[in-house]
Amino acid sequence: DAKTTQPPSMDCAEGRAANLPCNHSTISGNEYVYWYRQIHSQGPQYIIHGLKNNETNEMASLIITEDRKSSTLILPHATLRDTAVYYCIVLLLRNQFYFGTGTSLTVIP
Amino acid sequence: DAMVIQNPRYQVTQFGKPVTLSCSQTLNHNVMYWYQQKSSQAPKLLFHYYDKDFNNEADTPDNFQSRRPNTSFCFLDIRSPGLGDAAMYLCATSPRLAGDGEQYFGPGTRLTVT
Repeated sequence: DAKTTQPPSMDCAEGRAANLPCNHSTISGNEYVYWYRQIHSQGPQYIIHGLKNNETNEMASLIITEDRKSSTLILPHATLRDTAVYYCIVLLLRNQFYFGTGTSLTVIP
Repeated sequence: DAMVIQNPRYQVTQFGKPVTLSCSQTLNHNVMYWYQQKSSQAPKLLFHYYDKDFNNEADTPDNFQSRRPNTSFCFLDIRSPGLGDAAMYLCATSPRLAGDGEQYFGPGTRLTVT
């Protein structure tokens, strides 16, 4: 199974961009990269996903390196409500999520 | 709004007393999942249903069972809860098993075992 490695915690100043890295060096060519976040005591919330190309939606941007061994989630203007645990997940064909340990992001006023 | 609903949000059971957690969805998704999330840990997949086909993770204890009587509902049965089964239980759905289907999570049921 492809595994992910993320820093355990990060801080970001409110209004600044938050860049959350993820390593997935064993990823296969047909495996997607997903990002979810979990605010305390709630279910995980979908943010974005991608296969090869960079992706952007109303919440975030996803930058995937050309060799696909790592990716970065970018929250362009972090707010206090973005404080959460962010999970990078490499998705197997059977759509089974294996969560890594995640990054606890704290947005500081 | 289409959504994933879990009831109850908080459940207390006694050691060894069977308990059932429920999940319903209005998304009409084919796939439903159950995850266990212990305190300060990441969610861990227990099993999933693709339509009526049940798929158990290799390390899911036999104490955990699941039922899916129809597309909308899925139940998690814990036959003899131990103190170590205290956790948040998350239900999720997905339209398909292919690798490009996002999962929609419910709010979770927090189980306490006394």
